[in-house]
Amino acid sequence: GAVVSQHPSWVICKSGTSVKIECRSLDFQATTMFWYRQFPKQSLMLMATSNEGSKATYEQGVEKDKFLINHASLTLSTLTVTSAHPEDSSFYICSARMGETQYFGPGTRLLVL
Amino acid sequence: KNQVEQSPQSLIILEGKNCTLQCNYTVSPFSNLRWYKQDTGRGPVSLTIMTFSENTKSNGRYTATLDADTKQSSLHITASQLSDSASYICVVSAKTGANNLFFGTGTRLTVIP
Repeated sequence: GAVVSQHPSWVICKSGTSVKIECRSLDFQATTMFWYRQFPKQSLMLMATSNEGSKATYEQGVEKDKFLINHASLTLSTLTVTSAHPEDSSFYICSARMGETQYFGPGTRLLVL
Repeated sequence: KNQVEQSPQSLIILEGKNCTLQCNYTVSPFSNLRWYKQDTGRGPVSLTIMTFSENTKSNGRYTATLDADTKQSSLHITASQLSDSASYICVVSAKTGANNLFFGTGTRLTVIP
């Protein structure tokens, strides 16, 4: 099946720094990728839809200036958490759509101290 | 309002026993329903996908059912193993909309020896 990777798998950073998370579709091209955030014992919450070559579409309540998304190629989308704060600590998961199916990455655990 | 509800919220069973997880949804227009398994700290992995016309689908020890009339689905796990301990998420797709996935909050299954 299709494979989606994320890097890094976990990151610890100081408050105020920026963190970039990469999402790659390894064996297929994805014009659309999705970024989710998941808090402990909760389900995935869609943050934004990343469209190759155009601006991302953000869900209500998600600050686009804080969560910068770039989808520069058909196999790579990046999420940058700018000026991270402890409340941004979470599990970030991306997915890529191939046909009718979304394939999820393994997730990135972010801890902001 | 499009919603997906799962029950129970958590479940503990003995190794070797069977269990059934429930998913009720109000998503419309309905496209398909997927069950995902999410291990702790990992991204979701697809177990089954069912369309409107499918009533039952199996994947090894996992059997999913769908009743499109009552908008209910179940995931039955047979002869549980310790490695089945995970969260099981029901995800329903709508036919329309760029953001057309609706996530349940998941059932946390713990299999004990």
